[in-house]
Amino acid sequence: EAQVTQNPRYLITVTGKKLTVTCSQNMNHEYMSWYRQDPGLGLRQIYYSMNVEVTDKGDVPEGYKVSRKEKRNFPLILESPSPNQTSLYFCASSFSGPNQPQHFGDGTRLSIL
Amino acid sequence: AQSVSQHNHHVILSEAASLELGCNYSYGGTVNLFWYVQYPGQHLQLLLKYFSGDPLVKGIKGFEAEFIKSKFSFNLRKPSVQWSDTAEYFCAVNPLTGGGNKLTFGTGTQLKVEL
Repeated sequence: EAQVTQNPRYLITVTGKKLTVTCSQNMNHEYMSWYRQDPGLGLRQIYYSMNVEVTDKGDVPEGYKVSRKEKRNFPLILESPSPNQTSLYFCASSFSGPNQPQHFGDGTRLSIL
Repeated sequence: AQSVSQHNHHVILSEAASLELGCNYSYGGTVNLFWYVQYPGQHLQLLLKYFSGDPLVKGIKGFEAEFIKSKFSFNLRKPSVQWSDTAEYFCAVNPLTGGGNKLTFGTGTQLKVEL
């Protein structure tokens, strides 16, 4: 089944403790991206990747890192999480870019205390 | 800053009522435009898209949207809503210049359709 898989689905952690949210897709998509969804602010793009080893900042990249060492994986890294990064995070992928239909994961709800 | 605005945050309609959800963007150049929908408990999915050509585009489930370049708008419409249209709707813009690989979403509109 074609899907985008995120882990974990839920995480409660403390300020400053490094964490990684994994994202994997099985559709051989080139374009992958991360979003955060906050009430009243909609989805905001954090980072995106056009292909392996090609990543770029979205609209709200501060406090986040990403890597794209393999085509299928696009982890989101919070080196020193802070409470303002408490949010619902979505990973998405598409065949070749933002002009293609985006396939979204189930979401990861992060709470930073 | 460049942005995508959805002015209706919550809309409540009765079944069979007509729907129009507003979307305005502030990018000056050429853009690709999208509407995505998130049904309760489901993933976001593409409803329709506009790249070029006929400014009136039709999507799935009877939805359509009209691109008005002079107004920087891409409003979503449906002549007669159903209870199953209850969902959150997001407008999204992919600017082709100055960030051609970004996808910026609006704040979303929560639609509730009552029986």
